[in-house]
Amino acid sequence: NAGVMQNPRHLVRRRGQEARLRCSPMKGHSHVYWYRQLPEEGLKFMVYLQKENIIDESGMPKERFSAEFPKEGPSILRIQQVVRGDSAAYFCASSPHTGENTEAFFGQGTRLTVV
Amino acid sequence: TQLLEQSPQFLSIQEGENLTVYCNSSSVFSSLQWYRQEPGEGPVLLVTVVTGGEVKKLKRLTFQFGDARKDSSLHITAAQPGDTGLYLCAGVLSSGSARQLTFGSGTQLTVLP
Repeated sequence: NAGVMQNPRHLVRRRGQEARLRCSPMKGHSHVYWYRQLPEEGLKFMVYLQKENIIDESGMPKERFSAEFPKEGPSILRIQQVVRGDSAAYFCASSPHTGENTEAFFGQGTRLTVV
Repeated sequence: TQLLEQSPQFLSIQEGENLTVYCNSSSVFSSLQWYRQEPGEGPVLLVTVVTGGEVKKLKRLTFQFGDARKDSSLHITAAQPGDTGLYLCAGVLSSGSARQLTFGSGTQLTVLP
């Protein structure tokens, strides 16, 4: 049973370009979460999605960032017109359900560098 | 201000020593999880504690959830170089969304041979 798969592992973008980060959850998991880890900081929640629905996007920046989890295919975190401050590690996690004691399993992350 | 404060931030010890890492908050958590993260990798779940006062053991690692569910500790006995890594605590706030994990800033542990 493969774990959470993220690609690419490393992504370099010039300022103003778009970045697309992909996440395939563990088999049987229908809940996906995106977190961002800035240098020297802890992981910060960005968004929670179920298939075809954004459930909680309270941690997403209001502009340039969007996320989707289509019926078929991976979840996508999209960052438009990237700036240097977007450079970070972006982690996806998945769980089979949600609840107070839900355990989330993380992927290896995508390290975005904006030059 | 961090909702979950971890201490110490950095810890360097000799192989064979014991250590304790703390995770403290003024907020109540429904559950709390401990992760270990290696450089360039994602966090790997070590344990979940859900009941106040709960103690869980994982080989040489002992995890405790405070009675009031506001704090937790991780104790490692006879540390080994393979224990080196970033230890993160993360919790689900009782008053918040059950979907969000709130992370501490981590404790970077280095075990020297």
